Amino acid sequence: SQTIHQWPATLVQPVGSPLSLECTVEGTSNPNLYWYRQAAGRGLQLLFYSVGIGQISSEVPQNLSASRPQDRQFILSSKKLLLSDSGFYLCAWSVRWARSSTDTQYFGPGTRLTVL
Amino acid sequence: SQELEQSPQSLIVQEGKNLTINCTSSKTLYGLYWYKQKYGEGLIFLMMLQKGGEEKSHEKITAKLDEKKQQSSLHITASQPSHAGIYLCGADRGTDKLIFGTGTRLQVFP
Repeated sequence: SQTIHQWPATLVQPVGSPLSLECTVEGTSNPNLYWYRQAAGRGLQLLFYSVGIGQISSEVPQNLSASRPQDRQFILSSKKLLLSDSGFYLCAWSVRWARSSTDTQYFGPGTRLTVL
Repeated sequence: SQELEQSPQSLIVQEGKNLTINCTSSKTLYGLYWYKQKYGEGLIFLMMLQKGGEEKSHEKITAKLDEKKQQSSLHITASQPSHAGIYLCGADRGTDKLIFGTGTRLQVFP
């Protein structure tokens, strides 16, 4: 069966510090991978998605970046955190099909980031 | 305005009562996903609807997608405290991405 892991579970960082959040998927190959942010009182905002190693699409301009160094590893980074980067970060995966429409996305447990 | 509107934003019901959550899209949906989230946790997939008029049930939760494929409803029968959480709908726009609504927070009190 497939599982998705995220770490750390919680993180408190000062403004201006760097960030690295990791997401790994087990039990599947060539997944689509996604990073979302959920801020207080808001819905899920898609930040990045990837259909393969080294292929990253950015949905919103910001000081965050994503990388996919391995097939089942997705990393969210920042060189300098802002207060507005606080939130709950969720990673998700889905099966990659030839057709363009998406398949069910399965979410990780999330990382709660607080920037002070 | 949001592409995907959920109503109500929050709901407080007594245990045993029925309730309905709505999700309305400004565009035609290729697919509609319902998820549940407990505070501070990831999203749990509930069900997915693709065809106009489709209806699916899982335990006491039933979801429908209207014929025009622009609105979905999630109905919980005889609610229990275990149903409490945030319910999110996600829309498939025919790309590799989902657009999510802002969520409906459900509280069930005994």
